[in-house]
Amino acid sequence: DAGITQSPRHKVTETGTPVTLRCHQTENHRYMYWYRQDPGHGLRLIHYSYGVKDTDKGEVSDGYSVSRSKTEDFLLTLESATSSQTSVYFCAISGALNEKLFFGSGTQLSVL
Amino acid sequence: QQQVKQSPQSLIVQKGGISIINCAYENTAFDYFPWYQQFPGKGPALLIAIRPDVSEKKEGRFTISFNKSAKQFSLHIMDSQPGDSATYFCAASSETSGSRLTFGEGTQLTVNP
Repeated sequence: DAGITQSPRHKVTETGTPVTLRCHQTENHRYMYWYRQDPGHGLRLIHYSYGVKDTDKGEVSDGYSVSRSKTEDFLLTLESATSSQTSVYFCAISGALNEKLFFGSGTQLSVL
Repeated sequence: QQQVKQSPQSLIVQKGGISIINCAYENTAFDYFPWYQQFPGKGPALLIAIRPDVSEKKEGRFTISFNKSAKQFSLHIMDSQPGDSATYFCAASSETSGSRLTFGEGTQLTVNP
C-alpha cells in the first residue's frame, strides 16, 4: 500500500480509555490524513496535516486529536474513546494539492 | 452535511454487463472528481479521475462521464468482470480545500459469473 503502515491493524478497547493509532509512511509525502469509514457514510475526514507540526481539522474532528512530529509519522489519538468511535480508520498520504491519495490498509477499532 | 450523494448503495451485474454508478454534488467550486475502488480488507485506491474541462474520460473498461450543468458525474464499467466486485466511492474536491476530498457513501458492486 504505497509505503504506508498503520498500527495496530485491530484493536478492542473499553469506553473511556485513551487510544492512539499510528500511521507511518516511507514516501516522504507532505500531506497526511486520517479518515474514518462507516457504512452509509463513506469516508469522512477527521484531521489532516500539511507538514511537520502543521495540522488542521476535518469534518468529524470532535473527540480526536493528532500530532505530526516527523514527516513520516502521523498519530491519531482518541482521548476518551466512546462507542460512536467504533469504526475503520484509514490513513492516507499525498504528495501535493489534489494529487491522488494513497491509503493504508486500515485499523479496525471496536470500543465496547 | 453530505455534499456528494452516490447511488445506488449496492449493484448486482452479470459478467459482461455494464455497471453504472452515479454521483451528484452541490458545491460548484469542486474541480476534481476521482473514483476510488476498495476491495475487502484493503484501503481505497484511485481508479480514475476527471476535471470539469472535459465531459468524459476513459481508461480501459472504466469511463467517467461528467455533466457540469447538472452537477453530476458517473462511473461506467464496461464488460464487467467478477474481479471488479468491490466497493466504489466517488469523491470531489476544490482548489480551496486542497487535497481534502469529500466522499460519497459508496456503492458495493457484485459481478456474478
